[in-house]
Amino acid sequence: QKEVEQDPGPLSVPEGAIVSLNCTYSNSAFQYFMWYRQYSRKGPELLMYTYSSGNKEDGRFTAQVDKSSKYISLFIRDSQPSDSATYLCAMSVYSSASKIIFGSGTRLSIRP
Amino acid sequence: ETGVTQTPRHLVMGMTNKKSLKCEQHLGHNAMYWYKQSAKKPLELMFVYSLEERVENNSVPSRFSPECPNSSHLFLHLHTLQPEDSALYLCASSQDPGDSNQPQHFGDGTRLSIL
Repeated sequence: QKEVEQDPGPLSVPEGAIVSLNCTYSNSAFQYFMWYRQYSRKGPELLMYTYSSGNKEDGRFTAQVDKSSKYISLFIRDSQPSDSATYLCAMSVYSSASKIIFGSGTRLSIRP
Repeated sequence: ETGVTQTPRHLVMGMTNKKSLKCEQHLGHNAMYWYKQSAKKPLELMFVYSLEERVENNSVPSRFSPECPNSSHLFLHLHTLQPEDSALYLCASSQDPGDSNQPQHFGDGTRLSIL
């Protein structure tokens, strides 16, 4: 079993829809959770960073962590064509950049 | 220039060639990383350098040889690669390798194809 599971998609939704991206994980010791966005032919960029359980909101983006279910989500409200990208979840046990485990990414397409 | 710059953007090489990938960061960061990204697979961390000293080597085959001459530059020397080494190689930098809250800034990668 992979430590981090992420549906590769592709996921296609109409502009303005609410998007839900998810990851499950097997290691209950994970405490730090991240979402990265990667545009085509570009490197990943950190979108959201959360510690432990709960929600974190930043503009149209909300990251949610449910440690009891070992499940994390990224919600995008009022989705825009510019949100079309691959979204990578990532997590780590320690606050160490060298110990981050990445998901394989979900490709998202927002239709105008 | 700002951010993390990788050259070349694309590289095609035969299995017996020797080539090098270059990464340069203009952010004043202390840590630099090499990652491998294959299609439909998670990012794999290859090497970590902190203040020019290698602090992590994740069981990478010896045909990949990193070099960090100073905190702004990172190289990945390639020799006798295999077809399964074809992938996107990403360089990243961050202020502190011990703090995942400090975001890693990624370059746009070198797309490597092994013939």
